[in-house]
Amino acid sequence: AQSVTQLGSHVSVSEGALVLLRCNYSSSVPPYLFWYVQYPNQGLQLLLKYTTGATLVKGINGFEAEFKKSETSFHLTKPSAHMSDAAEYFCAVSGVAGGTSYGKLTFGQGTILTVHP
Amino acid sequence: GAVVSQHPSWVICKSGTSVKIECRSLDFQATTMFWYRQFPKQSLMLMATSNEGSKATYEQGVEKDKFLINHASLTLSTLTVTSAHPEDSSFYICSARGSRRPGDEQFFGPGTRLTVL
Repeated sequence: AQSVTQLGSHVSVSEGALVLLRCNYSSSVPPYLFWYVQYPNQGLQLLLKYTTGATLVKGINGFEAEFKKSETSFHLTKPSAHMSDAAEYFCAVSGVAGGTSYGKLTFGQGTILTVHP
Repeated sequence: GAVVSQHPSWVICKSGTSVKIECRSLDFQATTMFWYRQFPKQSLMLMATSNEGSKATYEQGVEKDKFLINHASLTLSTLTVTSAHPEDSSFYICSARGSRRPGDEQFFGPGTRLTVL
């Protein structure tokens, strides 16, 4: 079975500071990895994903994440936080081999990002 | 980007009644649709997966007779909560994907808040 752990349910940064949201996964086979953002009263929106190829992936709004197989991690970063980045962020994995988790997303617990002026 | 709508956005019902929630892909054909449940301050939990024209596949622990899912067309899936009880109160979210490939993006609806009195 696959699982996702997001370290820190709340992260607070100052505007202009580095954003680092942590995500670790557990899977028998390296899965596909996703980061979604949820703004209040809106549906989840894909920030970025890793499937194959380059392990450093860039997404929307200046976010990027690096897949590190040896660390089973997919941490999300942004060099300079903006007030509009305040939202809840979810890391998710999707099974890629056969089995019960194939094609299904398993989400982490979510991290609420607060950005202070 | 692709848009997924849900209707209603919120609903209040009496215990013992049934409630239907609609999920529509507005500008693409959804080969696969997913239904999630989100409890307060918790992550999204997958309830079931449905492929157009096929019976839904339910996750372990989800009562298929209580949560009826119909995916009759490539743009519409419905979730019916039958004989609802207060413990069914939750935030229900659907998502849609234009293929069965696990690496392809799921597009999420804004969710439906169900309150059972």
